Amino acid sequence: EAGVTQFPSHSVIEKGQTVTLRCDPISGHDNLYWYRRVMGKEIKFLLHFVKESKQDESGMPNNRFLAERTGGTYSTLKVQPAELEDSGVYFCASSQEVFADTQYFGPGTRLTVL
Amino acid sequence: AQSVSQHNHHVILSEAASLELGCNYSYGGTVNLFWYVQYPGQHLQLLLKYFSGDPLVKGIKGFEAEFIKSKFSFNLRKPSVQWSDTAEYFCAVTLITDSWGKLQFGAGTQVVVTP
Repeated sequence: EAGVTQFPSHSVIEKGQTVTLRCDPISGHDNLYWYRRVMGKEIKFLLHFVKESKQDESGMPNNRFLAERTGGTYSTLKVQPAELEDSGVYFCASSQEVFADTQYFGPGTRLTVL
Repeated sequence: AQSVSQHNHHVILSEAASLELGCNYSYGGTVNLFWYVQYPGQHLQLLLKYFSGDPLVKGIKGFEAEFIKSKFSFNLRKPSVQWSDTAEYFCAVTLITDSWGKLQFGAGTQVVVTP
């Protein structure tokens, strides 16, 4: 069974540009989460999808971040326009159930904004 | 503010030494508790988890953790570490009455095991 995959693994962009990160969850997992780790800080929750619906987006930093989940399968996280403070590692995770279940993480996308 | 605290940011120890990593949380409700590990160049993976029942949980690779509700703690232990245990370890919590299972992480502990 394939795990959670993320693309790209690294992205280097200039301030003001747009970047789109992609996450493919484990097949059959309705729950998809995005997290971010800024250097030196803890991993922080960004948002949660149940199928194609945004269930909780309380962790999204601001309206420069837009997440979508097409047809309840893969998800994209777009940052537009990117700022320096957006640099960090963006993790995606998926799970079958919401409660009392394990979230399986992807390898992360390291975003560097210059 | 609700938080997860990991007591050490960096730990260096020799092979065969015992390891204990502290984790405390400040949530007042019922929680699910996790330890995740990230080996160099790899993705985060689950070491062990506690949902209910026996507060002493055993995970992969010889790790165990004990949930002490009165102390709001979930410390990770391994009696004898190996060089391959070099990794970053993360304690995480979900509050079951909170929204939809989001994980709240501690800052992580970087563990280096020397030969």
